Amino acid sequence: AQTVTQSQPEMSVQEAETVTLSCTYDTSESDYYLFWYKQPPSRQMILVIRQEAYKQQNATENRFSVNFQKAAKSFSLKISDSQLGDAAMYFCAYSLSGNTPLVFGKGTRLSVIA
Amino acid sequence: SQTIHQWPATLVQPVGSPLSLECTVEGTSNPNLYWYRQAAGRGLQLLFYSVGIGQISSEVPQNLSASRPQDRQFILSSKKLLLSDSGFYLCAWGVRAEAFFGQGTRLTVV
Repeated sequence: AQTVTQSQPEMSVQEAETVTLSCTYDTSESDYYLFWYKQPPSRQMILVIRQEAYKQQNATENRFSVNFQKAAKSFSLKISDSQLGDAAMYFCAYSLSGNTPLVFGKGTRLSVIA
Repeated sequence: SQTIHQWPATLVQPVGSPLSLECTVEGTSNPNLYWYRQAAGRGLQLLFYSVGIGQISSEVPQNLSASRPQDRQFILSSKKLLLSDSGFYLCAWGVRAEAFFGQGTRLTVV
């Protein structure tokens, strides 16, 4: 079974600084999808960024970017110019295909210090 | 555009009482539908998923069941709640491997 591991239960960053959240996963498949979701205090799950495994180029969305290392099965999220609104739980997730559910890590709680 | 509605937002139920949480999706047809549970300080645990009407897959043995009576309706039920059923329940619909979530239901069993 596929598993997703987030080894950092909590992280903190100074406002305007950069922080990297780690994620590793275990799979024997070659074609899959990876995601980072944000869960603010409202608990609404918000998609931050997605990466298709067949794409070598790392995905970016404004201040959010990933470092996808397929051979190492690593998928880290970098948040640049951190803002107070970035404070949330961040979940890394894996999906095999369009009809299979997402498998989530246990999350990393990010605090942003003003 | 697609939207997902989940209700109620908050629920307090006594042990042994029944449960029914409803989720509906608008703006898409034949979506994949999911129920996840998030316990305090933990990640999201998949409870059920459905790829079509009447097709339900259960991921973990538990006190809960799910049904999909209509294409865009997904219901989470229990006949008798346990204290351990407390948690935050999230409904989601999926397309192209991506999941879109409802606002969740905080269930407290007392």
